[in-house]
Amino acid sequence: AQSVTQLGSHVSVSEGALVLLRCNYSSSVPPYLFWYVQYPNQGLQLLLKYTSAATLVKGINGFEAEFKKSETSFHLTKPSAHMSDAAEYFCAVTGPTGDMRFGAGTRLTVKP
Amino acid sequence: DAGVTQSPTHLIKTRGQQVTLRCSPKSGHDTVSWYQQALGQGPQFIFQYYEEEERQRGNFPDRFSGHQFPNYSSELNVNALLLGDSALYLCASSLVGGSTDTQYFGPGTRLTVL
Repeated sequence: AQSVTQLGSHVSVSEGALVLLRCNYSSSVPPYLFWYVQYPNQGLQLLLKYTSAATLVKGINGFEAEFKKSETSFHLTKPSAHMSDAAEYFCAVTGPTGDMRFGAGTRLTVKP
Repeated sequence: DAGVTQSPTHLIKTRGQQVTLRCSPKSGHDTVSWYQQALGQGPQFIFQYYEEEERQRGNFPDRFSGHQFPNYSSELNVNALLLGDSALYLCASSLVGGSTDTQYFGPGTRLTVL
């Protein structure tokens, strides 16, 4: 069965600093991986997804993620954090029919 | 183009009661999935509906049931509510529901069980 593990329940960065949110996956078949963001009292919004077309995936709001099979990782990065990036971020992997398995989430705090 | 909508926004019930949550998928989508998100946790997959049938189910008891209508909208029913059922219930829609499909999430229904 597929699963993901997010390393670090809380990450704090200064505005303008690099954002790095870690996600490792476990899958017996080639995985399809997603990053979602959740703002307070809202649903989830897709940031980006990996579906095997390219290992470096660019998403919305300046985020990108790199699929590394050798490390079973799909870490999310952004070169320069903005105050509006403060939110909860979820990594997810899908099963054959699209049922998503989410990580526990990482809360990103951006300090001025 | 309306996205995924859910109703009600908030709901308060007492233990032992039954509840029905509703979801309308994004226009053109035919697959609806339901997730439970407890406070401070990631969403947990409940089940998925496609062509009015439950296609896949997560690790949830039979107290959780659902339905999909011919217009692709869906309901989630929970019987014999427990305190532990308090959570944000998210509906997501997609086209066909394949593993590479993007799922679009609604804002959720916040259920509080007292």
